[in-house]
Amino acid sequence: AAGVIQSPRHLIKEKRETATLKCYPIPRHDTVYWYQQGPGQDPQFLISFYEKMQSDKGSIPDRFSAQQFSDYHSELNMSSLELGDSALYFCASSPQRRSTNRNEQFFGPGTRLTVL
Amino acid sequence: AQTVTQSQPEMSVQEAETVTLSCTYDTSENNYYLFWYKQPPSRQMILVIRQEAYKQQNATENRFSVNFQKAAKSFSLKISDSQLGDTAMYFCAFMNPTGANSKLTFGKGITLSVRP
Repeated sequence: AAGVIQSPRHLIKEKRETATLKCYPIPRHDTVYWYQQGPGQDPQFLISFYEKMQSDKGSIPDRFSAQQFSDYHSELNMSSLELGDSALYFCASSPQRRSTNRNEQFFGPGTRLTVL
Repeated sequence: AQTVTQSQPEMSVQEAETVTLSCTYDTSENNYYLFWYKQPPSRQMILVIRQEAYKQQNATENRFSVNFQKAAKSFSLKISDSQLGDTAMYFCAFMNPTGANSKLTFGKGITLSVRP
């Protein structure tokens, strides 16, 4: 079965640089979530999109922005990177609202971002 | 706001034995979902089991079962016949599915080691 695809899988950046993380949800999934997991931490919700509109916002810094496109893929844009942004960034998707497993989130493999 | 507490940072169990991982949560909502996610060394987030709060029957998935005590706001995971592949970090998570607030709130996680 198709899974959530994230690219790149690994990314190394210098401080103050920018980074773009991409997420391709499972086909027919219309909701995308972004989570940040720091070293030894639990995942923290950043932002979510439903039908290409932002649906909820968590602890996402102002330096970060995200959007969902017409094909439902999503991009997380990170600017002025700081050392503390080094983390594993997960994207998750969930099925359309009429689906029986609507409230399950399927996680991608994550993008490991290292800021030097 | 919802909170999820996993008070045990680490546990160890002998292969083939049974282990129970604890989780408590706090919410004023009546309708919600609870999940256990497994994160092996690969860092992939894998859904183990989910429980809908309005269902009194405890969820089971093969060797995994939960003890859901709604009044006590407790949601423990029992792993029977532990296998070496069960070694991982386990996160308890809460979701309020109403409206836009369907993000996952995670506990701090517990590291489970299965000894051969």
